[in-house]
Amino acid sequence: KAGVTQTPRYLIKTRGQQVTLSCSPISGHRSVSWYQQTPGQGLQFLFEYFSETQRNKGNFPGRFSGRQFSNSRSEMNVSTLELGDSALYLCASSLVGLKGDTQYFGPGTRLTVL
Amino acid sequence: DAKTTQPPSMDCAEGRAANLPCNHSTISGNEYVYWYRQIHSQGPQYIIHGLKNNETNEMASLIITEDRKSSTLILPHATLRDTAVYYCIVRVHSGAGSYQLTFGKGTKLSVIP
Repeated sequence: KAGVTQTPRYLIKTRGQQVTLSCSPISGHRSVSWYQQTPGQGLQFLFEYFSETQRNKGNFPGRFSGRQFSNSRSEMNVSTLELGDSALYLCASSLVGLKGDTQYFGPGTRLTVL
Repeated sequence: DAKTTQPPSMDCAEGRAANLPCNHSTISGNEYVYWYRQIHSQGPQYIIHGLKNNETNEMASLIITEDRKSSTLILPHATLRDTAVYYCIVRVHSGAGSYQLTFGKGTKLSVIP
């Protein structure tokens, strides 16, 4: 079974631009979570989607948004990019996202903001 | 979820067993111990999880003490590809609603040739 895939793997943007990252979960998984990893803050939870609905949200500004499609694929969008948004963005999928599930991570998208 | 404490770094000789400790003294009865690892700049990789019995899979073994206040992840024959940051996470496995993983700083394991 194929793992979680994320595209693109690397991205360079400039301040003020916006960016969209994509995540395809493991086949059959319906929950998708997004995390941001920076050297200073470590891995931080952004949000979680299930059945096209955001079910859980971390402490990030409204510039960070996401959505999920009917096939469980998910996108996250960051508007008005800031230098501090440079990070590794990770997507994780699980069956239904409940506490008994295990999350499996994708390879991540490395975003650099210049 | 209970807090975990891990040593910041460890070395292990290639071919030897790597024993990575994790302290979770405030763990409650319905919390599981999970281990993930992250090889440089890749996504975290799930390794194993357990409640109170020892667990083994093709990647590693998880030994949880009888009082459940600490655990050890064992990589039986470490290779250079096992060099990574290893994260021990404790979280509940029941109850309504979704969950988010909380990662600490983990243990950086360096496998030495």
